[in-house]
Amino acid sequence: DIQMTQSPSSLSASVGDRVTITCRASQSISSSLNWYQQKPGKAPKLLIYAASSLQSGVPSRFSGSASGTDFTLTISSLQPEDFATYYCQQTYSTPWTFGQGTKVEIK
Amino acid sequence: QVQLQESGPGLVKPSQTLSLTCTVSGGSISSGAYYWSWIRQHPGKGLEWIGYIYYSGSTYYNPSLKSRVTISVDTSKNQFSLKLSSVTAADTAVYYCARGGYDSYYYYFYGMDVWGQGTTVTVSS
Repeated sequence: DIQMTQSPSSLSASVGDRVTITCRASQSISSSLNWYQQKPGKAPKLLIYAASSLQSGVPSRFSGSASGTDFTLTISSLQPEDFATYYCQQTYSTPWTFGQGTKVEIK
Repeated sequence: QVQLQESGPGLVKPSQTLSLTCTVSGGSISSGAYYWSWIRQHPGKGLEWIGYIYYSGSTYYNPSLKSRVTISVDTSKNQFSLKLSSVTAADTAVYYCARGGYDSYYYYFYGMDVWGQGTTVTVSS
């Protein structure tokens, strides 16, 4: 199985901050990397697919990038509604696997 | 727009079979542009992918659950279903169904863009 390792597991940030979350794959997954946002009691929401493509309807402050087996989700200016848990997921090879999640909290 | 809704018992006894159905509305499950998946989330934990089905009936299951999982599709009802046999307390979780994009030419699986609200299943006697 491909292991997805997210860092950090949690972070505290203020509204307006630039936030970066990293996901490292245990082997090459090409660009088959997706990012999700999950709020308490809600289903995950797709933010980024294919490593850097913004899902329709998602604000442009969210962006994704890739370098080898390292993937990054960036929130350019954190908004109050962005406090949530974020997961990466690879769909390159089954079984598809998720990172353990990064909880973004209010500082 | 497409919506997904999970349904099924919220309480299942140990050793029995968990059965859930996901009803697709606002779109056809027979579209070749999508796959249909089940994901679960244990209380306070991360996401675990269970498996997917394509409208043709092709399936792939997570090997960690493979011996106990069956995912099926009923195109006439626009539904797909999950069966998980021999459940234990470790199967207590929120179960989600979801749709993801699929490019059959490049054999490329996109992320899951439409999710059901999730249904809580508790395994207890």
